[in-house]
Amino acid sequence: SQKIEQNSEALNIQEGKTATLTCNYTNYSPAYLQWYRQDPGRGPVFLLLIRENEKEKRKERLKVTFDTTLKQSLFHITASQPADSATYLCALDNSGGYQKVTFGTGTKLQVIP
Amino acid sequence: GAGVSQSPRYKVTKRGQDVALRCDPISGHVSLYWYRQALGQGPEFLTYFNYEAQQDKSGLPNDRFSAERPEGSISTLTIQRTEQRDSAMYRCASSLTAGGPFEQFFGPGTRLTVL
Repeated sequence: SQKIEQNSEALNIQEGKTATLTCNYTNYSPAYLQWYRQDPGRGPVFLLLIRENEKEKRKERLKVTFDTTLKQSLFHITASQPADSATYLCALDNSGGYQKVTFGTGTKLQVIP
Repeated sequence: GAGVSQSPRYKVTKRGQDVALRCDPISGHVSLYWYRQALGQGPEFLTYFNYEAQQDKSGLPNDRFSAERPEGSISTLTIQRTEQRDSAMYRCASSLTAGGPFEQFFGPGTRLTVL
């Protein structure tokens, strides 16, 4: 069956360190993978999209990698700040760039000052 | 500019009643998506539209759920004969273009409680 797995437990890191969040998937062949941030009581906010033929993408302090062989994406936040504390969701399409996306359950990140 | 808006923000209803949830996407956005989100979970796909055409309704749980977007702008998600298990946060999102799972802009959601 199809599955998207993100760290189910919260991730606590010290301010200034790099946070690394994982998204693993099974029985999907995504053309795209997206990362969203969600704060309590708010809707998800888009952060980055990476295509299947891209290995890595960066935006300011954010970096995403996409390994279609391992069926895994890693999301890094460098020089983390308390304001980065939130839940981070990965989302992917099934195949062919189809518009319907499936979200993972999210990983809650807490950056400790 | 204005983001995606949803109304009402909160809806409490009695079991068996019908409810209509409204989504007003960002002006000019072609695609509109409906999701349901349980606490501690990611959004669960329900259905989506490109313009006024419903492209995929595979995520609608049963035939009590329906959605429309008659003029390609505002959309309504209707739940008939509500049940307690329908209680959840219902989220709407829109994206500028069709043809791919591109960046989606989410609204604040409607919290539905069925008593």
